[in-house]
Amino acid sequence: NAGVTQTPKFQVLKTGQSMTLQCAQDMNHEYMSWYRQDPGMGLRLIHYSVGAGITDQGEVPNGYNVSRSTTEDFPLRLLSAAPSQTSVYFCASRDPGSYYNSPLHFGNGTRLTVT
Amino acid sequence: SQQGEEDPQALSIQEGENATMNCSYKTSINNLQWYRQNSGRGLVHLILIRSNEREKHSGRLRVTLDTSKKSSSLLITASRAADTASYFCATGLGGTSYGKLTFGQGTILTVHP
Repeated sequence: NAGVTQTPKFQVLKTGQSMTLQCAQDMNHEYMSWYRQDPGMGLRLIHYSVGAGITDQGEVPNGYNVSRSTTEDFPLRLLSAAPSQTSVYFCASRDPGSYYNSPLHFGNGTRLTVT
Repeated sequence: SQQGEEDPQALSIQEGENATMNCSYKTSINNLQWYRQNSGRGLVHLILIRSNEREKHSGRLRVTLDTSKKSSSLLITASRAADTASYFCATGLGGTSYGKLTFGQGTILTVHP
């Protein structure tokens, strides 16, 4: 199993550009989520999904869109990039056995810089 | 707002010594988890402790949970240079939260050979 795969690893955008961060998992996990990691802020939840067609907002959803058309994929879209979105983005999925007592499996992240 | 806060922010020790990291949180939880992050990589799950458990072991790791004080500690015994990483606690809620995890800011552990 590849686990959770994120692409690209690095990206530089200009203010106002749009892009999609890709996330795919091959573990048949129903729960998938996006976090951003900023220095001194830990990880903050952006959006999450509990299955195909079902998404919800996390702690910092503004400026980001998500959709979940398949179990495997959970892309994160930046509609109009801003310098405040410079961050490292992590996708994570969770075993469907129990939401309340199962660990997250993380991808290796996408480092995004917005100039 | 951050649910978990970790202490210390940074810890520097010699190989063979024990490392203790603490995590405090604000609201009732369903479980608390610890993760490790090596530089430039994603987080890796270490251990999960449920709210009705007080202590859990996994290899050289020992986690305690005190729900009355809303705090947890992670002890790494006989540390190795390879343990150098950032360590995060994450609190999991129950109810309708789908078990969403809220992460602390992390402790940077440096183990000197």
